[in-house]
Amino acid sequence: ELKVEQNPLFLSMQEGKNYTIYCNYSTTSDRLYWYRQDPGKSLESLFVLLSNGAVKQEGRLMASLDTKARLSTLHITAAVHDLSATYFCAVPQDPSQGNLIFGKGTKLSVKP
Amino acid sequence: DADVTQTPRNRITKTGKRIMLECSQTKGHDRMYWYRQDPGLGLRLIYYSFDVKDINKGEISDGYSVSRQAQAKFSLSLESAIPNQTALYFCATSDPGTGGTDTQYFGPGTRLTVL
Repeated sequence: ELKVEQNPLFLSMQEGKNYTIYCNYSTTSDRLYWYRQDPGKSLESLFVLLSNGAVKQEGRLMASLDTKARLSTLHITAAVHDLSATYFCAVPQDPSQGNLIFGKGTKLSVKP
Repeated sequence: DADVTQTPRNRITKTGKRIMLECSQTKGHDRMYWYRQDPGLGLRLIYYSFDVKDINKGEISDGYSVSRQAQAKFSLSLESAIPNQTALYFCATSDPGTGGTDTQYFGPGTRLTVL
């Protein structure tokens, strides 16, 4: 059974600081998704990582995937308040199918 | 207009009532999904459908049923609602395409409260 674990689950940061969110998964997968959810809102796709060693960057967020270690990281550089949200990683339960198993999410709060 | 819409957006009902949540999409995607979100538990898959004739159970299908009326429409029913089905429900769509990412696109959500 595929399990997806994120840590930390809660993260309070100061503006300007750097931090990393980790996503571990328990079975082989060659792809991983990151989503963002603002309070009371829907989920928005951030990154799709499709192969070992994949790295994607947008603004102050950078995501990477190590399929051998079954680990993805979401690195935040010089955090700003607008990045406050909950971040989810998700992995396909079956490579041939689209049904995703989500982590429990990391609630990020960036304070001035 | 939004690509994935859900109705109703909020619903309060009583234990034992039958409830239907509806999802429509204009993205032309074959794949559709229903999830529920509970605080601290992330999203859990209830049912998914890869085309009109294909329906599959997800992690937590007990107490729920679905209907795929057309490529664009996927409905979730609670035959006899119970309080622990109080949650935020999301519909999503995706299209694997050729070399596609199969990214899922989510609707705005339906907040359901069962008293």
